[in-house]
Amino acid sequence: GQQLNQSPQSMFIQEGEDVSMNCTSSSIFNTWLWYKQDPGEGPVLLIALYKAGELTSNGRLTAQFGITRKDSFLNISASIPSDVGIYFCAGLLDSGYALNFGKGTSLLVTP
Amino acid sequence: DSGVTQTPKHLITATGQRVTLRCSPRSGDLSVYWYQQSLDQGLQFLIQYYNGEERAKGNILERFSAQQFPDLHSELNLSSLELGDSALYFCASRPREGNPEAFFGQGTRLTVV
Repeated sequence: GQQLNQSPQSMFIQEGEDVSMNCTSSSIFNTWLWYKQDPGEGPVLLIALYKAGELTSNGRLTAQFGITRKDSFLNISASIPSDVGIYFCAGLLDSGYALNFGKGTSLLVTP
Repeated sequence: DSGVTQTPKHLITATGQRVTLRCSPRSGDLSVYWYQQSLDQGLQFLIQYYNGEERAKGNILERFSAQQFPDLHSELNLSSLELGDSALYFCASRPREGNPEAFFGQGTRLTVV
């Protein structure tokens, strides 16, 4: 599969802070998805992006589809303890059938 | 609840054995994907089925196989198990090929001892 590079690998922040993470690839994707995984659970879809430049929000989460179609960004505003988990980006190539996943950003939030 | 059901939730077995993991996709979803998640490898795509036919293969070992049945549930068979096969195995379903949004089950945690 195509390599997706997520950064940072992990983040340790205080409750109330804003968080930014990103995902980059050398390949062009036509869809970007962001998932969150809680310990022992399956990934849960947070946001889907379909067009270059698209900016989409889901509550305190905002994600953007990069103009080059090779990257995507996820921001979480005013973080709370339940935001703890691993955030994965996933991309779908023009010709692909399966989602390619990054290795995830682990987020820890202290009260 | 994503609507994707995986059984069993946990499985412990010995090296050399064979196991079968089961997945029921969301009602009406035709595509089923299998992913393997190891501690340091992230989510690795194994194989995809669409309406009973194999559609794409990823990093699936020859010791592993899968199928999708007429009722659209899918099974992943893992044989000659090795210690390194210990991982979380996830199934995901998508409604149709034009819709990329995949919904994941809660996974099966396989431990090979």
